Amino acid sequence: ILNVEQSPQSLHVQEGDSTNFTCSFPSSNFYALHWYRWETAKSPEALFVMTLNGDEKKKGRISATLNTKEGYSYLYIKGSQPEDSATYLCASPTTGNQFYFGTGTSLTVIP
Amino acid sequence: DVKVTQSSRYLVKRTGEKVFLECVQDMDHENMFWYRQDPGLGLRLIYFSYDVKMKEKGDIPEGYSVSREKKERFSLILESASTNQTSMYLCASRRDSLVEQYFGPGTRLTVT
Repeated sequence: ILNVEQSPQSLHVQEGDSTNFTCSFPSSNFYALHWYRWETAKSPEALFVMTLNGDEKKKGRISATLNTKEGYSYLYIKGSQPEDSATYLCASPTTGNQFYFGTGTSLTVIP
Repeated sequence: DVKVTQSSRYLVKRTGEKVFLECVQDMDHENMFWYRQDPGLGLRLIYFSYDVKMKEKGDIPEGYSVSREKKERFSLILESASTNQTSMYLCASRRDSLVEQYFGPGTRLTVT
């Protein structure tokens, strides 16, 4: 079992604030790192799949960085909006087929 | 538009009943997965399948079985439902670990 941890567990921010959260994973035998957004009453949907150390990906106001040597990834949201309220999950697959998910960061953006 | 569908959004069953949860994907993916999600525990893998009729146990297979008779369909079976199987069940499929995983909408199962 791979130990994937996320922090913080939950976060409340004001509309317009920027925020970030962390995913940490074992750096040995790294294969890939996935970020998903899970809105209430919807399916989780993929934000990013990252594989290379130093990778930085961006989708609108959301971006993510990856450090495979030290085993962490950051997710940043710039100028949070109420529609960003969701649980953000990270997952690290093994070279086999198993994905190990963190417990998620629940973000609430207050209008 | 890619899709993973699950047979029910909400299900209430009695202890001891046999329960079938169905998942269908339309992306021709080899790999399909069943997870359960419980507060504070994240998504935990129950079973996965990498091909028709092939299956592998995940981290919490006890009390569950699966069936994959066709590539697009992956069923989760609770042989004799118990109250500790009350949970949100999510199905997912993907081509491989380097691309995103697609999830179904989830089935919230309550066992009374």
